Amino acid sequence: AQKVTQAQTEISVVEKEDVTLDCVYETRDTTYYLFWYKQPPSGELVFLIRRNSFDEQNEISGRYSWNFQKSTSSFNFTITASQVVDSAVYFCALSSGSARQLTFGSGTQLTVLP
Amino acid sequence: ETGVTQTPRHLVMGMTNKKSLKCEQHLGHNAMYWYKQSAKKPLELMFVYSLEERVENNSVPSRFSPECPNSSHLFLHLHTLQPEDSALYLCASSQDYLAGDLYNEQFFGPGTRLTVL
Repeated sequence: AQKVTQAQTEISVVEKEDVTLDCVYETRDTTYYLFWYKQPPSGELVFLIRRNSFDEQNEISGRYSWNFQKSTSSFNFTITASQVVDSAVYFCALSSGSARQLTFGSGTQLTVLP
Repeated sequence: ETGVTQTPRHLVMGMTNKKSLKCEQHLGHNAMYWYKQSAKKPLELMFVYSLEERVENNSVPSRFSPECPNSSHLFLHLHTLQPEDSALYLCASSQDYLAGDLYNEQFFGPGTRLTVL
């Protein structure tokens, strides 16, 4: 069985603050992939990043960065200098061989206030 | 049209009605998915189609009936639904869905907001 936990249900920050969204996962497989998706108010989920279990290098893309730590089974997502347009629900997801499907966390609603 | 489109965007139906949700992908993908998103719950995978064949059915009640006439189109036929079926229904596609192939990211449509009265 696989599981993804996003303990933060809602986060509010003021524009230009940095914010970190937490993601903790569980799987017995040694090969797996982790994903982050963004769901703006329009509804569609937008793919942000994919990371495989053998690559623990952190990644930075503009104001976004991801910290993958196998030792703590975490894949956290940081937005630097947040903007109002970052307001959305963010989902962490896990794909591993035994489950044969993408398992999503319950999501974190991020609100960035002007 | 680009990406994944879904119609209608909003649907209100009674418990005795029959309706269908439509999804179309313009990405040349071979796999398509239906998800259910209820308030305060994680996305639930309902069905997976790969090359027009159903490969996953996650214990979904028979009042939901999927149809995949070709690799670009996916339908979800609804009949005798219950109020608890009210949710956002999301369609997604990916390049492939192969046994053990976990790599492909999924591209999502905007969803159909369904309300069952």
